[in-house]
Amino acid sequence: GNSVTQMEGPVTLSEEAFLTINCTYTATGYPSLFWYVQYPGEGLQLLLKATKADDKGSNKGFEATYRKETTSFHLEKGSVQVSDSAVYFCALSDLGKAAGNKLTFGGGTRVLVKP
Amino acid sequence: EPEVTQTPSHQVTQMGQEVILRCVPISNHLYFYWYRQILGQKVEFLVSFYNNEISEKSEIFDDQFSVERPDGSNFTLKIRSTKLEDSAMYFCASSEDSHTDTQYFGPGTRLTVL
Repeated sequence: GNSVTQMEGPVTLSEEAFLTINCTYTATGYPSLFWYVQYPGEGLQLLLKATKADDKGSNKGFEATYRKETTSFHLEKGSVQVSDSAVYFCALSDLGKAAGNKLTFGGGTRVLVKP
Repeated sequence: EPEVTQTPSHQVTQMGQEVILRCVPISNHLYFYWYRQILGQKVEFLVSFYNNEISEKSEIFDDQFSVERPDGSNFTLKIRSTKLEDSAMYFCASSEDSHTDTQYFGPGTRLTVL
């Protein structure tokens, strides 16, 4: 079955530091890949996505590249801000089903950015 | 910007009681989902719903669970007889088209079973 593995947190950084959160996946088909973010007290928000190999998703300074050869989708940001403090979830969906595509999530990585 | 809403934000119930969690998906969306997250664990898929029927469900979604779209706007998750292990955050999500497959999540309902 499908699975997603991401680095455990918490990750503590200083403002303007470089952030990398590793994510690798196992899938039987050709999944779409996602990063969701959960700010304190809020729901899951889509941060970025990529639907095929070598695609790069980007949003709010975050980037992730779909690497089929290494089955990875690592999240990066060059200069984090305190407002980036949140829990980040890597996820995949398999388009094998015609009606509805469940997401398979990693365990989440808590990021804390200090001023 | 349209968003998925969920009520209540927190539900406390006694073991064995029935609970109904409510969601209002984004209005033009056709696909609806429930996920849950037990404290400290992964977000897990429960069920997907399309065209007024379940399209997929996980092994978690046993006979104690049911979903319904009672009208044109609400999407509900019912747990008939709650157990302690049902305590979790329950997230509703919706997507416009399964092939674009971007799911938009609500803020969640925290269910506490005592």
